[in-house]
Amino acid sequence: SQTIHQWPATLVQPVGSPLSLECTVEGTSNPNLYWYRQAAGRGLQLLFYSVGIGQISSEVPQNLSASRPQDRQFILSSKKLLLSDSGFYLCAWRRTGSSYEQYFGPGTRLTVT
Amino acid sequence: QKEVEQDPGPLSVPEGAIVSLNCTYSNSAFQYFMWYRQYSRKGPELLMYTYSSGNKEDGRFTAQVDKSSKYISLFIRDSQPSDSATYLCAMRKGLTGGGNKLTFGTGTQLKVEL
Repeated sequence: SQTIHQWPATLVQPVGSPLSLECTVEGTSNPNLYWYRQAAGRGLQLLFYSVGIGQISSEVPQNLSASRPQDRQFILSSKKLLLSDSGFYLCAWRRTGSSYEQYFGPGTRLTVT
Repeated sequence: QKEVEQDPGPLSVPEGAIVSLNCTYSNSAFQYFMWYRQYSRKGPELLMYTYSSGNKEDGRFTAQVDKSSKYISLFIRDSQPSDSATYLCAMRKGLTGGGNKLTFGTGTQLKVEL
């Protein structure tokens, strides 16, 4: 079976500090990977998606970047955090070539102070 | 106007009630529809997905799609306190490529009371 991991679960960072959130998927190969941010009352906002190693598409211009150094690893980064970067960050995966369901990880709650 | 509209609630019902959760959408390009359940401080969990107009049933859950009205619903029968969560609708356009992106509603918060 497939599992998706995210860490850390919670993070409190000062404004201007760097960020690195990691997501890994087990039990599947060449998944599509996604980073979302969820803010209260705004639903899930797609930030980045990746269809393969080194292939990143950005959905929203912002202070964040993503990388996919390995097939089942997806990293969300920032060089300098802003207060507006606070939120609940979710990683998701989808099985390539099959249907359209996405499966989510447990999320990272980021508070920028 | 948002592409997907969902009443945020909160919706409070007694245990055993039938719950109706709804989303409307404006773009007829949406072809695939999903419902996710999200418990507090957890990632969303896929409940149901459907493509066709009509009903799809899974246990106490029924997903209904009306493409002509651009309206989807999730019905929960015999609701339980464990159903208390936020329910998110999601949909995808019928296009290949582009990472198969989903568009989500903002979620409806449901509380089932004893």
